Amino acid sequence: DAKTTQPNSMESNEEEPVHLPCNHSTISGTDYIHWYRQLPSQGPEYVIHGLTSNVNNRMASLAIAEDRKSSTLILHRATLRDAAVYYCILTRYNFNKFYFGSGTKLNVKP
Amino acid sequence: GAVVSQHPSRVICKSGTSVKIECRSLDFQATTMFWYRQFPKQSLMLMATSNEGSKATYEQGVEKDKFLINHASLTLSTLTVTSAHPEDSSFYICSATKGRADEQFFGPGTRLTVL
Repeated sequence: DAKTTQPNSMESNEEEPVHLPCNHSTISGTDYIHWYRQLPSQGPEYVIHGLTSNVNNRMASLAIAEDRKSSTLILHRATLRDAAVYYCILTRYNFNKFYFGSGTKLNVKP
Repeated sequence: GAVVSQHPSRVICKSGTSVKIECRSLDFQATTMFWYRQFPKQSLMLMATSNEGSKATYEQGVEKDKFLINHASLTLSTLTVTSAHPEDSSFYICSATKGRADEQFFGPGTRLTVL
């Protein structure tokens, strides 16, 4: 399975944009890029996913590099409730196992 | 919505006893359910994949006789930790899919403490 690499931690100020990077240099053509986040003592929560094109939803935006070897999760205005561990995960279509990496712990300062 | 529940949310048991954890999809039929384990300050580790009516598929290194998984219906999967020991203490999380291969819905987790 293709692996992902994320920074261990990042810090942001409240109401400022946050760009969370993810490297996946061994990604294959059929791998989807998923982002989930996990608050302490809770199950992960879906954030966004994409294949090749950039994606937007009410929570965030996903920017995917042209060669798909990296992607960036963008939170447009961080709030204190966005403080969580963010996981970037690759899955092959119709083979939907998730293998979590170490994720990025986002700290949001008021 | 797509809501997944787990019961119990927290359990404390004595070493040597067995503990059953339930995972339910409340408002959809789950073709596949997954079980994860998470130790403190670590990431989630996939333990097994469970399909309704068939045997679970375990990840390498996970003891199938230790962690019994039953997926008797499209809305319920159970994980039984048999003869639990203190090293089995962990946060156990389940997830479920609706049939689409690209999204999993996670339960709130069950914290198991084995004394």
